[in-house]
Amino acid sequence: AQKITQTQPGMFVQEKEAVTLDCTYDTSDQSYGLFWYKQPSSGEMIFLIYQGSYDEQNATEGRYSLNFQKARKSANLVISASQLGDSAMYFCAMRGDFGNEKLTFGTGTRLTIIP
Amino acid sequence: DVKVTQSSRYLVKRTGEKVFLECVQDMDHENMFWYRQDPGLGLRLIYFSYDVKMKEKGDIPEGYSVSREKKERFSLILESASTNQTSMYLCASKIGNSEKLFFGSGTQLSVL
Repeated sequence: AQKITQTQPGMFVQEKEAVTLDCTYDTSDQSYGLFWYKQPSSGEMIFLIYQGSYDEQNATEGRYSLNFQKARKSANLVISASQLGDSAMYFCAMRGDFGNEKLTFGTGTRLTIIP
Repeated sequence: DVKVTQSSRYLVKRTGEKVFLECVQDMDHENMFWYRQDPGLGLRLIYFSYDVKMKEKGDIPEGYSVSREKKERFSLILESASTNQTSMYLCASKIGNSEKLFFGSGTQLSVL
């Protein structure tokens, strides 16, 4: 079974500052995948970034990067140069061994960017 | 762009009613999923389907069933709605070998 823990229910960050959203995970699978999704007030979940457990480099997608520390079982999301449009709920998620289609989500972090 | 459409944004039903939540995707995706989202609990998987007429239970299937008669459509059925099924329901789809899920905008269901 997989477990995702997001310990920050809410964060307030000044516009243009970098943001780190915390995520730790637990699994007994040797191969797994880690994800971050964004949910704006419109309700639609938006895929941000993916990291495979065997990927040696940290994943990056534009202003988003995933700080993957396997030994610590952490997969923090870093948003560089935050913008007002980054205000949303952010969910960390994982799936188990390849071929396992089930995603386990954390409880989310509500990020608010202050102008 | 991929579009996942959920038939209703808001729905109010009475206890004991049979409720159908519909989801349609337009990109020929093999896999489709139903999640429910509750504050403080995140998203929890109810059922998923990897092909027409195929279904797999997720983490919380009790009180729900699903139907997938056509590839593009995945229906969630509440056989006899109860107040504890008041929740936001999110449908998602993806191509079989992709890691990226595409979500609909959700259906906020209230059971009175």
